[in-house]
Amino acid sequence: DGGITQSPKYLFRKEGQNVTLSCEQNLNHDAMYWYRQDPGQGLRLIYYSQIVNDFQKGDIAEGYSVSREKKESFPLTVTSAQKNPTAFYLCASSILSEPKGQPQHFGDGTRLSIL
Amino acid sequence: GENVEQHPSTLSVQEGDSAVIKCTYSDSASNYFPWYKQELGKRPQLIIDIRSNVGEKKDQRIAVTLNKTAKHFSLHITETQPEDSAVYFCAARERGFQKLVFGTGTRLLVSP
Repeated sequence: DGGITQSPKYLFRKEGQNVTLSCEQNLNHDAMYWYRQDPGQGLRLIYYSQIVNDFQKGDIAEGYSVSREKKESFPLTVTSAQKNPTAFYLCASSILSEPKGQPQHFGDGTRLSIL
Repeated sequence: GENVEQHPSTLSVQEGDSAVIKCTYSDSASNYFPWYKQELGKRPQLIIDIRSNVGEKKDQRIAVTLNKTAKHFSLHITETQPEDSAVYFCAARERGFQKLVFGTGTRLLVSP
């Protein structure tokens, strides 16, 4: 069954701690994305990657880091520099296609809270 | 860069009525416009999308229209049902870029 798997579903972070959110896809998609969603707001792009070992900052990259060592995996680390990390984090993936756009498929999300 | 505005932020309708959600975008080079439905605590799911070479697309009770000249696109839901209640997001993709820019969402409430 193809799809995007995010883990954990819920995560708690202590002061000064880095935490890593997992995102794995078996859709053979080249592009992967991380979004942050705050209550009552839209999705804001943190980072995205179009190819292994390459990624670009989105609109709110400060306090976050990513890696793309494998096509299937795009983990997001929320560092201690992110002072307001409480949010719902969504991972997505898509195929690459020009000039036509392609839909992004989302995982079930990780809800991160501060202890 | 692209900027997407979405209205209204909240929409309440009676079951069986139609609902219309509107979005405007700023970059005339944008060429792909998806709509997502998100139920509480769940993932956004694609419900319909349209590309810039098409003016209208329909899928059963859902339709999307695109006006490239005015740079706006709309979601139309006919014969609404309580299970249509959710938050709906529009998005726009700039030509040449893979990333989507999302609107702030519309909370649709369909009352029985």
